[in-house]
Amino acid sequence: GAGVSQSPRYKVAKRGQDVALRCDPISGHVSLFWYQQALGQGPEFLTYFQNEAQLDKSGLPSDRFFAERPEGSVSTLKIQRTQQEDSAVYLCASSLAYGRAPQISYEQYFGPGTRLTVT
Amino acid sequence: QKEVEQNSGPLSVPEGAIASLNCTYSDRGSQSFFWYRQYSGKSPELIMFIYSNGDKEDGRFTAQLNKASQYVSLLIRDSQPSDSATYLCAVTYRSGNAGNMLTFGGGTRLMVKP
Repeated sequence: GAGVSQSPRYKVAKRGQDVALRCDPISGHVSLFWYQQALGQGPEFLTYFQNEAQLDKSGLPSDRFFAERPEGSVSTLKIQRTQQEDSAVYLCASSLAYGRAPQISYEQYFGPGTRLTVT
Repeated sequence: QKEVEQNSGPLSVPEGAIASLNCTYSDRGSQSFFWYRQYSGKSPELIMFIYSNGDKEDGRFTAQLNKASQYVSLLIRDSQPSDSATYLCAVTYRSGNAGNMLTFGGGTRLMVKP
């Protein structure tokens, strides 16, 4: 079946511009995550949605970063007044399961990412 | 600070050999453990997950978990040049919400030489 899709795949923004990055999760996946990956590093958590509710935004680096998932499906990550340090790959992942029981599967499947370059 | 540590490599192995990738984590509350493979310019691809102490095998891949030592490893048997990639170890922790976000190590670059 279709995997996680993201658009655009590449985005070049001038410093100070606003950008919006879109994520289409796997159909039926309740959980949606955004991660930021700098060159040569592992992804770092930004924010998490369970359906339309944003339950954790502790990883957002500043108040210039904003995410939404209004209908519990597609999500948008918005970055206002972009800075050069925002240049990175932004990855979206979705997961079918959620909950606290230790044996529930939490596998997350990643989209292709959006490479953002701020000049 | 919850940390996941990996040797950045590169780890170079000859074709057909066993590649051994290692990962340590700092928090004993860690719940689930994942290995992702990431080719250059691509996104992470899930290859293994393990929740309980011991070994879990899937084809040429074996994940090993030792919670007492806070150590998880990935063995790749009969390594192929197509296995050359960065391998990311990721861990989830018990949290106040149901999110269980992944905390990643920096990745180990594996090179399999023909």
